[in-house]
Amino acid sequence: DTGVSQDPRHKITKRGQNVTFRCDPISEHNRLYWYRQTLGQGPEFLTYFQNEAQLEKSRLLSDRFSAERPKGSFSTLEIQRTEQGDSAMYLCASSADRGGNEKLFFGSGTQLSVL
Amino acid sequence: QQQVKQSPQSLIVQKGGISIINCAYENTAFDYFPWYQQFPGKGPALLIAIRPDVSEKKEGRFTISFNKSAKQFSLHIMDSQPGDSATYFCAAIDPAWADGGGGADGLTFGKGTHLIIQP
Repeated sequence: DTGVSQDPRHKITKRGQNVTFRCDPISEHNRLYWYRQTLGQGPEFLTYFQNEAQLEKSRLLSDRFSAERPKGSFSTLEIQRTEQGDSAMYLCASSADRGGNEKLFFGSGTQLSVL
Repeated sequence: QQQVKQSPQSLIVQKGGISIINCAYENTAFDYFPWYQQFPGKGPALLIAIRPDVSEKKEGRFTISFNKSAKQFSLHIMDSQPGDSATYFCAAIDPAWADGGGGADGLTFGKGTHLIIQP
């Protein structure tokens, strides 16, 4: 499978715990994005990497959230001191250079439940 | 501030009918308008997209109609099939974001339309 893969698919944690998600983009894609989706809503942009550089961060991304893409390949999203409001689907997407067409390919997401 | 407004929230169409989903945007800097299809338990998948220099784009049974002056665009699904039952999202992108210009918020999505095609 050469699509975007995310791990784990589901994560249940207790409030206050730290969680980390992993995303493996399509291998030739240099752009990687994290989005958050809650029930009945469209995905909301969190952050964006071009290669290993984090170029954009949404106002939604509080200080408890941190993302890395150390070698310009896979990426991790960590949430520290989780809160119930963090419960959502966390989606990763990747794309090649825009070239006039921003085609994002999404993974199946990590569903986070904070108890 | 919701920059892309999508309607209806849910839609039921008979098999073989035409499904129509509408979106309106506010940011005149948007220059790329994709539609995504999402099945339960899956991430969104790009369905079709349009740029504002054309008024219509058709791919198979899917057509985007674009009205730049009204800042509106719509998705038409012809001959709707039960397999089309999914949630559809319109979206828009500001070129300043894609160039790393800062201050923008990536791909901006509507809230989605839950489409059910009845056999």
